[in-house]
Amino acid sequence: AQSVTQLGSHVSVSEGALVLLRCNYSSSVPPYLFWYVQYPNQGLQLLLKYTSAATLVKGINGFEAEFKKSETSFHLTKPSAHMSDAAEYFCAVRGSSNTGKLIFGQGTTLQVKP
Amino acid sequence: DAGVTQSPTHLIKTRGQQVTLRCSPKSGHDTVSWYQQALGQGPQFIFQYYEEEERQRGNFPDRFSGHQFPNYSSELNVNALLLGDSALYLCASSLALAGGSQETQYFGPGTRLLVL
Repeated sequence: AQSVTQLGSHVSVSEGALVLLRCNYSSSVPPYLFWYVQYPNQGLQLLLKYTSAATLVKGINGFEAEFKKSETSFHLTKPSAHMSDAAEYFCAVRGSSNTGKLIFGQGTTLQVKP
Repeated sequence: DAGVTQSPTHLIKTRGQQVTLRCSPKSGHDTVSWYQQALGQGPQFIFQYYEEEERQRGNFPDRFSGHQFPNYSSELNVNALLLGDSALYLCASSLALAGGSQETQYFGPGTRLLVL
């Protein structure tokens, strides 16, 4: 069965600092992995996805994530945080069935301090 | 190109009542999935509809039911509401690929349900 663990429910960084949000997965099949962002009182927006092509995936708003099979990790990074990056971030793995059901982590709240 | 839309945006119900939430998929998409997101939690898969049939179901009771219409839009129905049903209900749409798998899911803004 697939599962996702996000390490750290809250992360606080200063504006301009590196953002690192951690995600580890468990999957019995080659995983499809996703990062979604949720701004207050909104739905989920796709940031980026890994689908077994390049291990370094670039997404929107300057975010990127690196798939590391040996570490079963898919951490999200951004070189320089912006105030507008403050939001909830969810890592998800696609289930093994053909339906594409997503299994989400508990989420990480990113706070950006001026 | 309209994205995924959901209605209503907010809803207040009392215990025991029934509720219907609606979702219109992104243009070109034929599959709709529903998720429940409790406060402070990640979304949990409820079920998925494709070709007007339920394809897969998560760990939710039969009080949760759905429907998909020929135009691919979908409804989520919850009967006998409990306080614990209070949550953000998210609809996601995707495109079925050859071989039966699904493309990436795109989410709507959600319907926030409060059960008193």
